[in-house]
Amino acid sequence: GAGVSQSPRYKVAKRGQDVALRCDPISGHVSLFWYQQALGQGPEFLTYFQNEAQLDKSGLPSDRFFAERPEGSVSTLKIQRTQQEDSAVYLCASSLGAPGQLNTGELFFGEGSRLTVL
Amino acid sequence: QKEVEQNSGPLSVPEGAIASLNCTYSDRGSQSFFWYRQYSGKSPELIMFIYSNGDKEDGRFTAQLNKASQYVSLLIRDSQPSDSATYLCAVKWAGTALIFGKGTTLSVSS
Repeated sequence: GAGVSQSPRYKVAKRGQDVALRCDPISGHVSLFWYQQALGQGPEFLTYFQNEAQLDKSGLPSDRFFAERPEGSVSTLKIQRTQQEDSAVYLCASSLGAPGQLNTGELFFGEGSRLTVL
Repeated sequence: QKEVEQNSGPLSVPEGAIASLNCTYSDRGSQSFFWYRQYSGKSPELIMFIYSNGDKEDGRFTAQLNKASQYVSLLIRDSQPSDSATYLCAVKWAGTALIFGKGTTLSVSS
């Protein structure tokens, strides 16, 4: 498809389980971003990539969170030993330009992966 | 600490009225400013962006930026029930990703 694709759309995990969330950005988009959105809140920045390089991971809430984009296209966000506070929608977005360019504010979001930790 | 502040609302306006959504940000070094709309259960979609002081108009939408006051707003003229959504203000600083506010919920009654 032409848009950003995320999978799974819904994931229920037991506390302590590991989960992996996948993002397939728009073809040719240089920048890829992960955000966490709790209910009733705005998206909170987690991390971003320029091609395969992870340029900023300052938003990752703990060392249980890990993201990669090994070939500069598909990205995976992994959460180890999930906790209830990890329950949220995880949004992936891509942008045509590099993060230093103004037009990287024009983010194209996927539909999100809703994670529920029991 | 770079922060973006919005009144969470809800902001309620009657159909046909002007809706005014406001946003302030913490750091004068910001480069560009964006308004996204998010319908319930959906992902954010870009409405407008503005880089320079002043007004920018696009159809029924006008974005206003005042960098000296660290303030950006979105006006929606002739509001329609279909405009009912959460409006997210986002700010980009040099070399960073977009930082979003918590969003303002707008309700347009027919």
